[in-house]
Amino acid sequence: VQLMESGGGLVQPGGSLRLSCAASGFTFNTSPMSWVRQAPGQGLEWVSTISGSGSGTYYADSVEGRFTISRDNSKNTLWLQMNSLRDDDTAVYYCAKTDFGAGRSLGYWGQGTLVTVSS
Amino acid sequence: EIVLTQSPGTLSLSPGERATLSCRASQSVSSTYLAWYQQKPGQAPRLLIYGASTRATGIPDRFSGSGSGTDFTLTISRLEPEDFAVYYCQQYGSSRWTFGRGTKVEVK
Repeated sequence: VQLMESGGGLVQPGGSLRLSCAASGFTFNTSPMSWVRQAPGQGLEWVSTISGSGSGTYYADSVEGRFTISRDNSKNTLWLQMNSLRDDDTAVYYCAKTDFGAGRSLGYWGQGTLVTVSS
Repeated sequence: EIVLTQSPGTLSLSPGERATLSCRASQSVSSTYLAWYQQKPGQAPRLLIYGASTRATGIPDRFSGSGSGTDFTLTISRLEPEDFAVYYCQQYGSSRWTFGRGTKVEVK
């Protein structure tokens, strides 16, 4: 299993950014996927999860209405569209393979991409 | 929203010692949906335990999980040098995933 995030960078408050996660080594179109973030020096915060088909999406209250999770199963790619970014969205963003058969745990993680929101 | 409280915040131990980490939930959690992760500096988290007590693939048997309801425990029977890290518990419920704030296991 390999997961590789990209798309992070520096963005001004109120701006937008789109993160990508390229997946390989497993059957992507049946695997739910999640985004988890970690602010500098802080703990882990779940952001969003999407079902394998893409029909079900779930969001943390802190990003509901601003972030959109999506996937293209033909390209084995997961995205996170982030709008109206705030300073407190600054974090390393990880994509993770989510195993509904193993207690909805996050079994595999990418190495993360850093998003910095600052003027 | 279920809040997970991990204790202690920092555990100072020597290699070879036993580590006992606690995760307490603000309301009852299904054991099916309780997991533990290890994170080393500069690395992504790694799944250790799911279903409160099932080791993930490749996890050594010195790691064990137990508990039910609101109280869960991760035990490392004999600390190896590579076990010094931060450990997080995580639960799923009502279409939400929640993490505890972590316990740092450091070298005494």
